Amino acid sequence: GDSVTQMEGPVTLSEEAFLTINCTYTATGYPSLFWYVQYPGEGLQLLLKATKADDKGSNKGFEATYRKETTSFHLEKGSVQVSDSAVYFCALSKTSYDKVIFGPGTSLSVIP
Amino acid sequence: EPEVTQTPSHQVTQMGQEVILRCVPISNHLYFYWYRQILGQKVEFLVSFYNNEISEKSEIFDDQFSVERPDGSNFTLKIRSTKLEDSAMYFCASSEALGIDTQYFGPGTRLTVL
Repeated sequence: GDSVTQMEGPVTLSEEAFLTINCTYTATGYPSLFWYVQYPGEGLQLLLKATKADDKGSNKGFEATYRKETTSFHLEKGSVQVSDSAVYFCALSKTSYDKVIFGPGTSLSVIP
Repeated sequence: EPEVTQTPSHQVTQMGQEVILRCVPISNHLYFYWYRQILGQKVEFLVSFYNNEISEKSEIFDDQFSVERPDGSNFTLKIRSTKLEDSAMYFCASSEALGIDTQYFGPGTRLTVL
């Protein structure tokens, strides 16, 4: 079945470090891909998305590019801040109304 | 900006009791969903709902669960007889229409079954 795999956490970085969280997916067809973020004690927020191959989603300094050839959607940020500490979920959806399938989440801690 | 709201934020109940979790989706949205996240685990799909009926449900969504849209604004998840393993964060989500694939999630209800 369809699935999403993410790099194991937790990830701990110093402020202003470069962030990469790897995400790969298994799905037939052309799913839409998402990154959701969950700040401590809060719900899920959509961070960015891409709906077709080679699309780049971006928001708040985060970027991810939909790579069909490697079935990947890695999340990157050039300079992380303490306020970026959260759990990041890579996810996919097969159709516009289909369920979202989440990866296991990667916990990020940014220390001053 | 419109948002999905959920009540209560935290519900504590005794095993075997019925609970109803409430959600108010974004007003012009047509597709509604429930997900759950057991502490420290991934977010799992429970059920999707469109046009006043269930579109899809997972194997988790057994006869103990039901959903309802009792009026034009609320969307509820009922657990008939709670078990300890139902303790989780429950998220409601909604999306606008066919062709718009972004689901917007509420803040969640933390359910604790004692």
